[in-house]
Amino acid sequence: GAGVSQSPRYKVAKRGQDVALRCDPISGHVSLFWYQQALGQGPEFLTYFQNEAQLDKSGLPSDRFFAERPEGSVSTLKIQRTQQEDSAVYLCASSLKGGQGRTNTEAFFGQGTRLTVV
Amino acid sequence: AQSVAQPEDQVNVAEGNPLTVKCTYSVSGNPYLFWYVQYPNRGLQFLLKYITGDNLVKGSYGFEAEFNKSQTSFHLKKPSALVSDSALYFCAVRFNGYNTDKLIFGTGTRLQVFP
Repeated sequence: GAGVSQSPRYKVAKRGQDVALRCDPISGHVSLFWYQQALGQGPEFLTYFQNEAQLDKSGLPSDRFFAERPEGSVSTLKIQRTQQEDSAVYLCASSLKGGQGRTNTEAFFGQGTRLTVV
Repeated sequence: AQSVAQPEDQVNVAEGNPLTVKCTYSVSGNPYLFWYVQYPNRGLQFLLKYITGDNLVKGSYGFEAEFNKSQTSFHLKKPSALVSDSALYFCAVRFNGYNTDKLIFGTGTRLQVFP
C-alpha cells in the first residue's frame, strides 16, 4: 500500500481482555516504531524494530505489553490483561532506514488504533 | 537527555495572517528536529525536518521552520494562515544510537485559524 496501515481502527476491550493491534508498514521500510498517545498528549515511544530485530523496547510500560515483527514486515503489538490506563491511541510508524547515523529519513505514521478499555 | 518544549497549548490566528508555533529543544550533540501535524482522528503527517544545512527549512503546505542554534529553537511558521491549517502540531527531536531510534515529542500546540 501507499502508506502505513493499522488495524483495527477502533477497539473496545473489557478490562482483563487481551488485544492484538496490527501494523503494515510501507513496503521496504527497514525501521518500525510503536508509540502510545494518551488523550491530549504527545506520542510516547514504546518500541523500535530494525527489520525483525527488536532493538529497543524501553518504552513498553509493563510486561503486559509485547511487540513482534517476525518477518521484518508486519508487526503486532499485544497487550495482555488490559487495564483502563491502557486506553490510548496506538500509533505505528515506519521509515526507510534507521538507527545510528541515519538521521535524514523521516518516519511515516499510520492512522492509529484507538483502544478503549471498559 | 533529549527533549522538546512547546510553550503554547493553543495559538489563535486570523486567516491570512502569519502564524508561528514555537518549539525549543534540549539535546546533547547535533539536533535532528521535526514538525508533524495531526488532524482529528488521523495519524501524524510529516511537515518538515532539520538535519543540517540551511537554517530555514521549507516543508509541506507552505510551512517553514527556522532553526536557531543560539536560542535552541525550531519555530514553525507560515506567511499566510488558512482555516484548513487548524490542527494539532507537534515538534519532535530524533534520538538515535547503536540500539535505538526514537522521536521524542513535545506536548503539542493546537492551532486555530479563524475566518
